[in-house]
Amino acid sequence: RKEVEQDPGPFNVPEGATVAFNCTYSNSASQSFFWYRQDCRKEPKLLMSVYSSGNEDGRFTAQLNRASQYISLLIRDSKLSDSATYLCVVTYTGGFKTIFGAGTRLFVKA
Amino acid sequence: DTGVSQDPRHKITKRGQNVTFRCDPISEHNRLYWYRQTLGQGPEFLTYFQNEAQLEKSRLLSDRFSAERPKGSFSTLEIQRTEQGDSAMYLCASSSEAGQGGTEAFFGQGTRLTVV
Repeated sequence: RKEVEQDPGPFNVPEGATVAFNCTYSNSASQSFFWYRQDCRKEPKLLMSVYSSGNEDGRFTAQLNRASQYISLLIRDSKLSDSATYLCVVTYTGGFKTIFGAGTRLFVKA
Repeated sequence: DTGVSQDPRHKITKRGQNVTFRCDPISEHNRLYWYRQTLGQGPEFLTYFQNEAQLEKSRLLSDRFSAERPKGSFSTLEIQRTEQGDSAMYLCASSSEAGQGGTEAFFGQGTRLTVV
């Protein structure tokens, strides 16, 4: 079993749709959680951190459930520019072992 | 440019040759990571440095792979006797230390290796 598992993609949604991505992690010692975005042939870039209380950044909402070892990302009012791969990231062991999920591809269509 | 830089951006090599990649992290970052990414997969952790100390190596990092960060600044990743399966994007990232939690990792644009 992979340490970080994500929904298999791709997700194909129309503009304006709401889409949710899920991620589970296997190591209960995991400490910090992030969502990264990766555009085609580009490097990953931080989208947002994920806090236990849940957090929101504009159209993006992240949730963490430590008991279930589950992370989610919700995108509201999808834009064409949201088309990318979304990577779930977990760190532990003092914050230096950083493990990426395989990513979920999102295609937003007009 | 004060971001993470990697050199070269692209490398084509013949099977059996040795290659070396360089990463220059953001100057104030003491943590440096190497990842390997193949098509359709997320970055796979290879190794991690805190300053000049290599604190963790993945089982993916066979004895043909070696990484160094001699002065705690730039890092090199060497692959000896390259194989076609080594073809991938090699990503370097750096971050600053912030207590027990993780902090944002900033990635370089990667070195794309093709072994023919």
